[in-house]
Amino acid sequence: ETGVTQTPRHLVMGMTNKKSLKCEQHLGHNAMYWYKQSAKKPLELMFVYNFKEQTENNSVPSRFSPECPNSSHLFLHLHTLQPEDSALYLCASSQPSGGVDNEQFFGPGTRLTVL
Amino acid sequence: SQKIEQNSEALNIQEGKTATLTCNYTNYSPAYLQWYRQDPGRGPVFLLLIRENEKEKRKERLKVTFDTTLKQSLFHITASQPADSATYLCALDISGGYNKLIFGAGTRLAVHP
Repeated sequence: ETGVTQTPRHLVMGMTNKKSLKCEQHLGHNAMYWYKQSAKKPLELMFVYNFKEQTENNSVPSRFSPECPNSSHLFLHLHTLQPEDSALYLCASSQPSGGVDNEQFFGPGTRLTVL
Repeated sequence: SQKIEQNSEALNIQEGKTATLTCNYTNYSPAYLQWYRQDPGRGPVFLLLIRENEKEKRKERLKVTFDTTLKQSLFHITASQPADSATYLCALDISGGYNKLIFGAGTRLAVHP
């Protein structure tokens, strides 16, 4: 266990559905991240939050909407997704940007399938 | 744009040998580079970080080198074991130390008994 949990682990949704992914970290970190990992492609950074403030949006379509209510929790709200959005969505946390300890701790991911 | 290439999609070696994985990058001068291990169905796990002013870093059977002139990092696993079989990812900081990482596609290592 890395100290980062994600729920659900698997999600199947239709293109008209609305769902949310949840991430929680128990490490006392103040930076949290969403990544997308598609088959045969590198991890793609989607969003970065530092101290609950969004500091990075990597040109992600608006059908993905992140929310960070506090430093321990991160959500990714999904609506009107496309089949090409099917992927493994990974959450990570770390010490804040600019810190000495820059390693990121990843959750197990949510395997998303859009029908 | 920044580009990271990791050598061969898959690497097969015999148990006990040294595995060497390569990470090459272009168009950037990273503050640091990281290596992660990813097992099927799981998130990546951090292994080592090496900074731009460091040439080499070691941790148990792992060794990482960083050549900023060649824009290359090498990742070595000595005395490899079947349990080392996994996908290894390199990640580059592209934000001057502010945790914005871009990842390579990874190299799948298989260590055979």
